[in-house]
Amino acid sequence: DAGVTQSPTHLIKTRGQQVTLRCSPISGHKSVSWYQQVLGQGPQFIFQYYEKEERGRGNFPDRFSARQFPNYSSELNVNALLLGDSALYLCASSPTDSRMDYGYTFGSGTRLTVV
Amino acid sequence: QKEVEQNSGPLSVPEGAIASLNCTYSDRVSQSFFWYRQYSGKSPELIMSIYSNGDKEDGRFTAQLNKASQYVSLLIRDSQPSDSATYLCAVRDSNYQLIWGAGTKLIIKP
Repeated sequence: DAGVTQSPTHLIKTRGQQVTLRCSPISGHKSVSWYQQVLGQGPQFIFQYYEKEERGRGNFPDRFSARQFPNYSSELNVNALLLGDSALYLCASSPTDSRMDYGYTFGSGTRLTVV
Repeated sequence: QKEVEQNSGPLSVPEGAIASLNCTYSDRVSQSFFWYRQYSGKSPELIMSIYSNGDKEDGRFTAQLNKASQYVSLLIRDSQPSDSATYLCAVRDSNYQLIWGAGTKLIIKP
């Protein structure tokens, strides 16, 4: 079975540009969460979606947005990129919503570099 | 502000010894605790979850939880060089979101 898949694996963007990151959860998983991990730090929660509805939002500016599609895949969009947005962006899937106690399975991540 | 604290390390342990990793958290109502392993340049991998006070063992790994002291630890017995990685502690807060520590870098010396 395929795990959580993310694309692209690496990305270089210029300040001010926009970027879209993609995630496909494990088959049967309906919840997708997005995390940002800056080098040397733990992941920071950005968004969680369950059944195409936003279930949680972290402390990120409105430049960050996301959505979940009927097939439960998800996109994370970041507008007006800043140098500080350079990070590893992780997608995690779980079988149900946040109120169930599951450890997340992460994708391999997208390494975003803003220059 | 809810926080999860870990010693950044590096923690150096001889091969075959016990590695002890510690984590404290600030949110008293937290109920779920997770340990993840992250190799350099890779994504986190779930090792252990623990929800009740006491010890939980899985192979060479033992998670320990003390909710009164707001403390969770991970013991790795018979440490192997392949255990060298950064270990992240994550705590599910009252909003059901994961709060992460910055991780402890573990080095197992052959």
